[in-house]
Amino acid sequence: QKEVEQDPGPLSVPEGAIVSLNCTYSNSAFQYFMWYRQYSRKGPELLMYTYSSGNKEDGRFTAQVDKSSKYISLFIRDSQPSDSATYLCAIGSAGNNRKLIWGLGTSLAVNP
Amino acid sequence: DSGVTQTPKHLITATGQRVTLRCSPRSGDLSVYWYQQSLDQGLQFLIQYYNGEERAKGNILERFSAQQFPDLHSELNLSSLELGDSALYFCASSADRGAGGYTFGSGTRLTVV
Repeated sequence: QKEVEQDPGPLSVPEGAIVSLNCTYSNSAFQYFMWYRQYSRKGPELLMYTYSSGNKEDGRFTAQVDKSSKYISLFIRDSQPSDSATYLCAIGSAGNNRKLIWGLGTSLAVNP
Repeated sequence: DSGVTQTPKHLITATGQRVTLRCSPRSGDLSVYWYQQSLDQGLQFLIQYYNGEERAKGNILERFSAQQFPDLHSELNLSSLELGDSALYFCASSADRGAGGYTFGSGTRLTVV
């Protein structure tokens, strides 16, 4: 079993839709959780970062962590064509090496 | 501009050759990470340096090596290149050894022919 599982999609939605992206992980030692957005041929860009279970909101984006289920989600409200990108989850544990475990990424297309 | 600079942006080379990829981290960041991204493998962690010292190793081949210099820039050396080494190579940096996100550069696209 992979340490982090993420459905690669592709996901295609109409503009204005609510998008839900998800990852599951296997190791309960993971303590912090991130979502990155990657546009084609660009480097990943940090979108959301959280330590704890619960929700964290930033504009149209909400990150949700359920440590008991080892499940994390990213919700995008009022999706825009500019949200079309690949979304990667990254999960890590505290410590000096700060190694992150990455999902494969979900490709999202928001159609005008 | 993320503040992490990678050069060159594109590189085309022949099998068996050696190339060097360069990364300048964001100002103030001490950690540098190298990642390889191919279509079927996603982001693969290669190696991390912290303030000049190797901190963690991932799936880095023996044909690959890296170093971080006193001015904190880093180089990734890829030798005896094979067709399968064609990929995007990303460098990322972070501020300290605690938790936190990485800032990625825009990558070097390596094509081995």
